[in-house]
Amino acid sequence: ETGVTQTPRHLVMGMTNKKSLKCEQHLGHNAMYWYKQSAKKPLELMFVYSLEERVENNSVPSRFSPECPNSSHLFLHLHTLQPEDSALYLCASSQGDGFSYNEQFFGPGTRLTVL
Amino acid sequence: GNSVTQMEGPVTLSEEAFLTINCTYTATGYPSLFWYVQYPGEGLQLLLKATKADDKGSNKGFEATYRKETTSFHLEKGSVQVSDSAVYFCASRMDSSYKLIFGSGTRLLVRP
Repeated sequence: ETGVTQTPRHLVMGMTNKKSLKCEQHLGHNAMYWYKQSAKKPLELMFVYSLEERVENNSVPSRFSPECPNSSHLFLHLHTLQPEDSALYLCASSQGDGFSYNEQFFGPGTRLTVL
Repeated sequence: GNSVTQMEGPVTLSEEAFLTINCTYTATGYPSLFWYVQYPGEGLQLLLKATKADDKGSNKGFEATYRKETTSFHLEKGSVQVSDSAVYFCASRMDSSYKLIFGSGTRLLVRP
């Protein structure tokens, strides 16, 4: 595997389900990101992890719970979602030293549909 | 605050036409600038970048020049192909930050 991979690519879930999205980067980067891309809206940065510590949480509802067990893996745990949470969820990674960061590389995304 | 503004789409062109997608930025300093492309059903791919004034980024026939005087980073291609149909995002990032500021995206449709 190369670059940034995401699984699953597609997910359909009910509002009472619990599911998790997985992201893995094979680039040796130390920062990882979750974005939400909804139709007709700009990309929304949800969470940022740098050196496995969460450094940004953009007022995301608690039904979204990120986890970064190591610098290569990032999860987004989902529970009791709403239909308006249906979107493409993109993971990205980059390399930084805490002061400057190189460009972000994106995964293919998980298309989430909440029924 | 920092922001990026792109021309609204969709942009519809015939194959081999010349492409320009306008992008302007506002920033308190001199950010690095990027163009990302998103093909249907996929994530974003970095297309090109420029890190300082007068730098020209280029890739796959696309070019963009960092213009400090006009705070612009317009994307150009001399002859588009059907396979270039995608959504193009302009973005900026201050060197001291991890945060990418994205424009709203411009959809390009190239017809045979």
